[in-house]
Amino acid sequence: GENVEQHPSTLSVQEGDSAVIKCTYSDSASNYFPWYKQELGKRPQLIIDIRSNVGEKKDQRIAVTLNKTAKHFSLHITETQPEDSAVYFCAANYGGSQGNLIFGKGTKLSVKP
Amino acid sequence: DGGITQSPKYLFRKEGQNVTLSCEQNLNHDAMYWYRQDPGQGLRLIYYSQIVNDFQKGDIAEGYSVSREKKESFPLTVTSAQKNPTAFYLCASSIGENTEAFFGQGTRLTVV
Repeated sequence: GENVEQHPSTLSVQEGDSAVIKCTYSDSASNYFPWYKQELGKRPQLIIDIRSNVGEKKDQRIAVTLNKTAKHFSLHITETQPEDSAVYFCAANYGGSQGNLIFGKGTKLSVKP
Repeated sequence: DGGITQSPKYLFRKEGQNVTLSCEQNLNHDAMYWYRQDPGQGLRLIYYSQIVNDFQKGDIAEGYSVSREKKESFPLTVTSAQKNPTAFYLCASSIGENTEAFFGQGTRLTVV
């Protein structure tokens, strides 16, 4: 079936360093790729998303890149801060419909001060 | 807070009993979703509804049922047929397809 693979499952960085999380998807019809951040005990919240008609999107310290040919997309966080510590989920829509968002298994990011 | 409310936050039930989880939104969103979150498993789609009086099964619908009689409400019933119901359940809503999904605070269901 369709799936989204996310790596790494855990990531530890020093404050100020960059963090990169990678995801691959299997459905060639996927055209919407959101990233969610879930802090401990809280609800997931969208931090950035990208659609298939662009290759990169940036929002301050966060950027997402998309390679449609290779079917992979990545989240880049620069100048990491302790408050970036959370679990990050990537997702892709299945069959071109957002009603069928498939999520990766998550990456636990720890930023050490 | 976010316009989408799940209740209760914690729920305990005995094995074999059906239980209904509440999800209400005042964002005027057409689409609503139910996800199940297990440790190390990400979020898995149970059911979704793009419009009132219509809903579709997600990847893990077995043992669950939903209704969408009102735009604001999308309750999820965990039936006794669900083999492993203990989990964290998240409800979400969005304006429509390929738009941001807003999540509720979640309900942690424990079946004993």
